Amino acid sequence: DADVTQTPRNRITKTGKRIMLECSQTKGHDRMYWYRQDPGLGLRLIYYSFDVKDINKGEISDGYSVSRQAQAKFSLSLESAIPNQTALYFCATSASGDLHTDTQYFGPGTRLTVL
Amino acid sequence: AQSVTQLGSHVSVSEGALVLLRCNYSSSVPPYLFWYVQYPNQGLQLLLKYTTGATLVKGINGFEAEFKKSETSFHLTKPSAHMSDAAEYFCAVSDRGDYKLSFGAGTTVTVRA
Repeated sequence: DADVTQTPRNRITKTGKRIMLECSQTKGHDRMYWYRQDPGLGLRLIYYSFDVKDINKGEISDGYSVSRQAQAKFSLSLESAIPNQTALYFCATSASGDLHTDTQYFGPGTRLTVL
Repeated sequence: AQSVTQLGSHVSVSEGALVLLRCNYSSSVPPYLFWYVQYPNQGLQLLLKYTTGATLVKGINGFEAEFKKSETSFHLTKPSAHMSDAAEYFCAVSDRGDYKLSFGAGTTVTVRA
């Protein structure tokens, strides 16, 4: 079984709709992240959470919100989707502590298309 | 925030030939350095990482990378390409203890038979 799962894997929606992408992990990590991937731009950080009560904006948080429902669950919402939010979205996790050296582990991704 | 540059968005190699992917970062303090691989329709998988110690790091699938502080580089190599190496490769860096990664734009590798 995968350690980091994302649902849905694919989603097509229309402009203005509210969308939620979900991420769950069984790695026991306390830190979770949401990225989007666009061709030629690599991965860009949207939001990150270092524990259940800690939520931080990344470099491209406008138009997105997140919820950390539990240590193992981190959801990304698009309140009113727009076409330029069409992208591949990845969830990642990492463990705190120097021994873990900032290594992140990624889910399989969600391909979102906004028409 | 760190800046990461991957030279070449596409690299094409023949099967059996050397694979060389270049990565440079901007930092006055050596960061943690990573290479991830993304196979088609999959998430990112860690290939290797440099944290401290030996500057030549060996990873999975025969890949290795060398940290060169003087050149602020962390280039990825594989002596002999295999068809299964066709994928997109990302270099990433983090400030030690920052727990956030900055990614390069990625390099797509194609392998010719």
